[in-house]
Amino acid sequence: AQSVTQLGSHVSVSEGALVLLRCNYSSSVPPYLFWYVQYPNQGLQLLLKYTTGATLVKGINGFEAEFKKSETSFHLTKPSAHMSDAAEYFCAVKGGNNRKLIWGLGTSLAVNP
Amino acid sequence: DAGVIQSPRHEVTEMGQEVTLRCKPISGHNSLFWYRQTMMRGLELLIYFNNNVPIDDSGMPEDRFSAKMPNASFSTLKIQPSEPRDSAVYFCASSFGGIATNEKLFFGSGTQLSVL
Repeated sequence: AQSVTQLGSHVSVSEGALVLLRCNYSSSVPPYLFWYVQYPNQGLQLLLKYTTGATLVKGINGFEAEFKKSETSFHLTKPSAHMSDAAEYFCAVKGGNNRKLIWGLGTSLAVNP
Repeated sequence: DAGVIQSPRHEVTEMGQEVTLRCKPISGHNSLFWYRQTMMRGLELLIYFNNNVPIDDSGMPEDRFSAKMPNASFSTLKIQPSEPRDSAVYFCASSFGGIATNEKLFFGSGTQLSVL
């Protein structure tokens, strides 16, 4: 069975500070991992995904995530937060093909001036 | 392309009434997904269509919920009769390739449903 845990339902950072959103997963097969972002009153958009290959994945808007198999983690980072990064962030895992996406409950990111 | 289009954006209804949510996927996409989002349960996949055929409806909560996709450009999610616990944001998403691939999902802006 697959599952996703996002540590911290709310994260607050100052503008210009490092953003770190945590995601841990469990999967019985090599996972495919995703981060989506949801801006207020909008649908979700894909930020980045890991399927195979390089474990450090770069996404849109300066975000990146690193797949660490030994830690079963896929944390999302951005070196310097911008006000426009304030949104809800969702981690999701897929245990191979023909499997559904399993979603975390989301982390709400607030960016303070 | 206009993206995935959902209507209405907001729906307020009374318990027992029928509710119909609508979705127009991105042209050329062959997979369509209906999700429900609540604070308590997060994002839940209700049903998934591939080439207009329902493939997996195991997430549909109960018989009060039904979904159709009569053609490649339109889908509906119906709740009859509606109950207060159905209050949530309902998202439609589409992709090319379906659940067996890792193609990204494109989400609509959602329908905020309130059942009083």
